[in-house]
Amino acid sequence: KNEVEQSPQNLTAQEGEFITINCSYSVGISALHWLQQHPGGGIVSLFMLSSGKKKHGRLIATINIQEKHSSLHITASHPRDSAVYICAVRLWDTGNQFYFGTGTSLTVIP
Amino acid sequence: EAQVTQNPRYLITVTGKKLTVTCSQNMNHEYMSWYRQDPGLGLRQIYYSMNVEVTDKGDVPEGYKVSRKEKRNFPLILESPSPNQTSLYFCASSPGVGSGNTIYFGEGSWLTVV
Repeated sequence: KNEVEQSPQNLTAQEGEFITINCSYSVGISALHWLQQHPGGGIVSLFMLSSGKKKHGRLIATINIQEKHSSLHITASHPRDSAVYICAVRLWDTGNQFYFGTGTSLTVIP
Repeated sequence: EAQVTQNPRYLITVTGKKLTVTCSQNMNHEYMSWYRQDPGLGLRQIYYSMNVEVTDKGDVPEGYKVSRKEKRNFPLILESPSPNQTSLYFCASSPGVGSGNTIYFGEGSWLTVV
């Protein structure tokens, strides 16, 4: 049973393309995080969402609570955006426990 | 500099030899947590702590112990490691788990049990 599903699993894009990564979850959540993991392993938190939309530079994250769905968009993609993007949720009924998607591996080609 | 520090970063050990992976944060965060990351399975939560002396099991706690005697430290203990605990481990902290709280991750610890 996987509470969090991400798509696509792998994504290759040309530099400059608009990219969308999707995350769906099966039950009510209190918060959703988007994480970025670079080759070499380090993980950085990009966004924390409980509703609406957030923007940071070329990154935009949206969440639709009713549809249990979130998207991460990258505008004007660049090779340095190549990384694994991970969706994480804190479910309402599990207190303070987090569940993660298996990640989307993004490669941006110059 | 705000950071979460894990040690060791790389370790090869033998089955049954007790080991501890340390985790320390310098941000006075209340929430700390341990995760393991395995190919095809992604990140899974092992244990978490809401504050000093308060710890709870995550999704995969079997074979692990933790303690939170001080706010800054949250060590992960493998009493009798087995090969299925070979994994990449991450410690993380955040001010809390409510809205607006960013999660900060350590750099990861690669553990191999032979």
